[in-house]
Amino acid sequence: KNEVEQSPQNLTAQEGEFITINCSYSVGISALHWLQQHPGGGIVSLFMLSSGKKKHGRLIATINIQEKHSSLHITASHPRDSAVYICAANSNSGYALNFGKGTSLLVTP
Amino acid sequence: DAGVIQSPRHEVTEMGQEVTLRCKPISGHNSLFWYRQTMMRGLELLIYFNNNVPIDDSGMPEDRFSAKMPNASFSTLKIQPSEPRDSAVYFCASSIQVDYGYTFGSGTRLTVV
Repeated sequence: KNEVEQSPQNLTAQEGEFITINCSYSVGISALHWLQQHPGGGIVSLFMLSSGKKKHGRLIATINIQEKHSSLHITASHPRDSAVYICAANSNSGYALNFGKGTSLLVTP
Repeated sequence: DAGVIQSPRHEVTEMGQEVTLRCKPISGHNSLFWYRQTMMRGLELLIYFNNNVPIDDSGMPEDRFSAKMPNASFSTLKIQPSEPRDSAVYFCASSIQVDYGYTFGSGTRLTVV
């Protein structure tokens, strides 16, 4: 089983700060997903990546396959970014997602 | 597209009762997943369907749990009999194929008392 570790577990930032959330995994994968879960509970898929970097608005996701590591960056953070961010790795079998425990982010005004 | 639709949003039931959770995937998506989320264990895969066929049900906790996908637009997850430890949020997700991104439903929050 692919162990997926996230850090930090909890993060508090002031509005405008640059935020980084880290994710590492133990075995080879076909893809890495970043998910966002708001207090209401719904889960939104932010990124799926297998190499390099992807950007969407103020969010940037990077992955280093050799180091088995991915990061999610949020630039110019805003209170509406407050949510739990979950990293999930697709196993090489393709379909199974192994989830990290999530990073709870609170952005204060 | 309305996205992945789950019902009900909330369910409170007494121990021993049968519970049925429903999911309508996005049209054209041929992969469907049921996940369970608890504080202790986080998100866990329960079962995966591809083209309406169950491919992997190794995450189904025990025989009290069963899932069906009678057609491409509908799936159910049934718990019979329910127990308090089944209390969790159950998510359904679909994908156009396994190595594409996933779309999650809003989840069903189940409370068994």
